[in-house]
Amino acid sequence: EDQVTQSPEALRLQEGESSSLNCSYTVSGLRGLFWYRQDPGKGPEFLFTLYSAGEEKEKERLKATLTKKESFLHITAPKPEDSATYLCAVQSIKAAGNKLTFGGGTRVLVKP
Amino acid sequence: DTGVSQDPRHKITKRGQNVTFRCDPISEHNRLYWYRQTLGQGPEFLTYFQNEAQLEKSRLLSDRFSAERPKGSFSTLEIQRTEQGDSAMYLCASSPLTSGHEQYFGPGTRLTVT
Repeated sequence: EDQVTQSPEALRLQEGESSSLNCSYTVSGLRGLFWYRQDPGKGPEFLFTLYSAGEEKEKERLKATLTKKESFLHITAPKPEDSATYLCAVQSIKAAGNKLTFGGGTRVLVKP
Repeated sequence: DTGVSQDPRHKITKRGQNVTFRCDPISEHNRLYWYRQTLGQGPEFLTYFQNEAQLEKSRLLSDRFSAERPKGSFSTLEIQRTEQGDSAMYLCASSPLTSGHEQYFGPGTRLTVT
């Protein structure tokens, strides 16, 4: 069974204080690993897809990396508007219809 | 392209009542998914449609739950005889058949069973 574990559960940062979020996964053949951002009371917003170990993607202050067992989401010089829950999900090549298996998320709070 | 929409955004119901939620996917997206999310947890897969065919259902989807996508466009999720444990955010997502494998989520329907 596919499993995703995210750490830490919560992260408090000062504005400008860079940090990294971890996503550890086990999957029966990885089709893709996905990062989403979710604001309170809203649906997840797609950020990145990573397909193979060594791949990196960047968007503004966010950078996602992938190894064979985990992915990291690096937040560089965060701003208060980066406060959100960040979700990691995997998609198995054996999953019918490309269903996603999510981790529990990391709640990030950036204080000014 | 207006994104995935869901209706209603919030629903409060009494235990034992039936509820129905609607999802309108991004136009021309063949694949449609339903997920459930409880507070502090990540979304959990419920069911998946490709066009009008329901191709997979999770063990989480008890026989009180039924989903349809009659014309391959919008979808409905019905919960019969609601229980307090059904209280959650119900999320709909869609993706195209081709190109990338990412799914695009709607704003969700927050269900509270009293």
